[in-house]
Amino acid sequence: GAVVSQHPSRVICKSGTSVKIECRSLDFQATTMFWYRQFPKQSLMLMATSNEGSKATYEQGVEKDKFLINHASLTLSTLTVTSAHPEDSSFYICSAVAGTATNEKLFFGSGTQLSVL
Amino acid sequence: AQKITQTQPGMFVQEKEAVTLDCTYDTSDPSYGLFWYKQPSSGEMIFLIYQGSYDQQNATEGRYSLNFQKARKSANLVISASQLGDSAMYFCAMRESTGANNLFFGTGTRLTVIP
Repeated sequence: GAVVSQHPSRVICKSGTSVKIECRSLDFQATTMFWYRQFPKQSLMLMATSNEGSKATYEQGVEKDKFLINHASLTLSTLTVTSAHPEDSSFYICSAVAGTATNEKLFFGSGTQLSVL
Repeated sequence: AQKITQTQPGMFVQEKEAVTLDCTYDTSDPSYGLFWYKQPSSGEMIFLIYQGSYDQQNATEGRYSLNFQKARKSANLVISASQLGDSAMYFCAMRESTGANNLFFGTGTRLTVIP
């Protein structure tokens, strides 16, 4: 099946630093990738839709200047948490669309646990 | 209104028994897709099964089957012959044909398989 690779799996950083998370589709091209955030024991909440070659579309309430998304190629999207603060600590997970138009499936990366001290 | 509702925060099932995880959805879009994902403690999201709104038959994938009742807007996941490794969070999700390709997730059900 389709594979989505996400790195790093875990990152601990100091408050005020920036953290970059990579999401790669390994065996397929993904024109669209999604970034989700998940708080402990809660569901996934969509943060933004990443489109190759164009600006990302952010969900209401998500600061685009804080969560920078770049989708420079058909296999790579990055999420940069700028000037991270403890409240940004969360589990971030990406997904990419794979398959034909009639049976598209979303495949997820393994997630990144961000801890901001 | 919630697009996906999972009313069971937690479920227990005896090993080798079958279990049904409930999911109801709300949409006015005639074309949509329903998904189930498994999330073990490691955090990754594992795709289990997909049901299209126009599919005539209920989807099946190995020990997973989807009890799709379109008129009732329900898409329950049935896991047969439960195994200890099935213990995880299970999320029901929906994607509508209009708008972006993002998924709307339910709040999840934590399944615990008892030996």
